[in-house]
Amino acid sequence: DTAVSQTPKYLVTQMGNDKSIKCEQNLGHDTMYWYKQDSKKFLKIMFSYNNKELIINETVPNRFSPKSPDKAHLNLHINSLELGDSAVYFCASSQERGPPNNSPLHFGNGTRLTVT
Amino acid sequence: RKEVEQDPGPFNVPEGATVAFNCTYSNSASQSFFWYRQDCRKEPKLLMSVYSSGNEDGRFTAQLNRASQYISLLIRDSKLSDSATYLCVVKREYGNKLVFGAGTILRVKS
Repeated sequence: DTAVSQTPKYLVTQMGNDKSIKCEQNLGHDTMYWYKQDSKKFLKIMFSYNNKELIINETVPNRFSPKSPDKAHLNLHINSLELGDSAVYFCASSQERGPPNNSPLHFGNGTRLTVT
Repeated sequence: RKEVEQDPGPFNVPEGATVAFNCTYSNSASQSFFWYRQDCRKEPKLLMSVYSSGNEDGRFTAQLNRASQYISLLIRDSKLSDSATYLCVVKREYGNKLVFGAGTILRVKS
């Protein structure tokens, strides 16, 4: 009955590879996000989708491509991985339109990506 | 200047102490404010929302000062289990973007 689940939990790969992280939420939320938390623990938003529509796309290399097949899923594909991509990637969801207002973010438990 | 700034700490306090964290934000159009808690190697979780009139939840009290653009969190009677990183979070008026501070580390010791 996990609310926001992402897989895999750990991902170790070599530079230049392509990898994907999957995320699913069963909360019925209309908005999903990808956040990156680097080694300094700073949590930064990468993308946000509302009902499958991209609404936030921060300054992220275009090697990162989100895909939302439906409003309960938001996957992240990363091409040509680099050392600097090593971080923890968190998926999250919230309800942004209609009640309840001020819906908090619900995070998945993170994917720890290590690029060697 | 970062949009949301916090003292990184760590704050090392004994059990039973009262501790306060402050957070400042630079965007005056910010609409909503929250405190999240993140345990080591875990995901952030909502601790409490922050309302204009201030609000309390058990041992935790949050305050908002819009004129000075800062938010505070007060923890009374600290427990060992309060040890974590506390993240100040600000939501902009437009767009679904929450901006996180880098967090303040709290360590409660017996």
